[in-house]
Amino acid sequence: GAVVSQHPSWVICKSGTSVKIECRSLDFQATTMFWYRQFPKQSLMLMATSNEGSKATYEQGVEKDKFLINHASLTLSTLTVTSAHPEDSSFYICSALRGALRGDTQYFGPGTRLTVL
Amino acid sequence: AQSVTQLDSHVSVSEGTPVLLRCNYSSSYSPSLFWYVQHPNKGLQLLLKYTSAATLVKGINGFEAEFKKSETSFHLTKPSAHMSDAAEYFCVVSDENFNKFYFGSGTKLNVKP
Repeated sequence: GAVVSQHPSWVICKSGTSVKIECRSLDFQATTMFWYRQFPKQSLMLMATSNEGSKATYEQGVEKDKFLINHASLTLSTLTVTSAHPEDSSFYICSALRGALRGDTQYFGPGTRLTVL
Repeated sequence: AQSVTQLDSHVSVSEGTPVLLRCNYSSSYSPSLFWYVQHPNKGLQLLLKYTSAATLVKGINGFEAEFKKSETSFHLTKPSAHMSDAAEYFCVVSDENFNKFYFGSGTKLNVKP
């Protein structure tokens, strides 16, 4: 149990276009999901917290107008990278929080590799 | 504020020898701590977690970690390394209210035959 999927797993796009990444919890409901960014050979950096039915909370330094997050249901959150540029190329990982208590576990998706040409 | 520091960016061991991956944390409250493993081209997998119960936590694949408040440490150990343990390991602390995760910089474990 506790499977999180992401789609697509890999995307290449031209500079200036927008890309949508989906994150789904397949066998549990997740009120809260998180989006991370991981640069090569670096750790994961939290971008935003996505709460079902409300606006996402962005970490300091993350442009909310560039990285649009929608959490329309308890099993789906989407991240849209708007007007993508080469510096947005990265590995994007989502996670879903199973439970609502302190210390509950996040389950991670396999990640989406975005390359902007 | 909370944070974790992984003291070694790379650790290399021989197969069958013990593994020690070090993690120190900083937190203004009693923290929840996790270890995750990331294999190449695969998602992060939870190894174990500490949430204020027993200080010695046993996880999957023979890994365990001990929470030491006096040393603010949560080191990951395994008695005998296996080739399949080669991966990147992340120590994580969560915040008090929102379960946001803060990742350490990661330790890449290399296992030599």
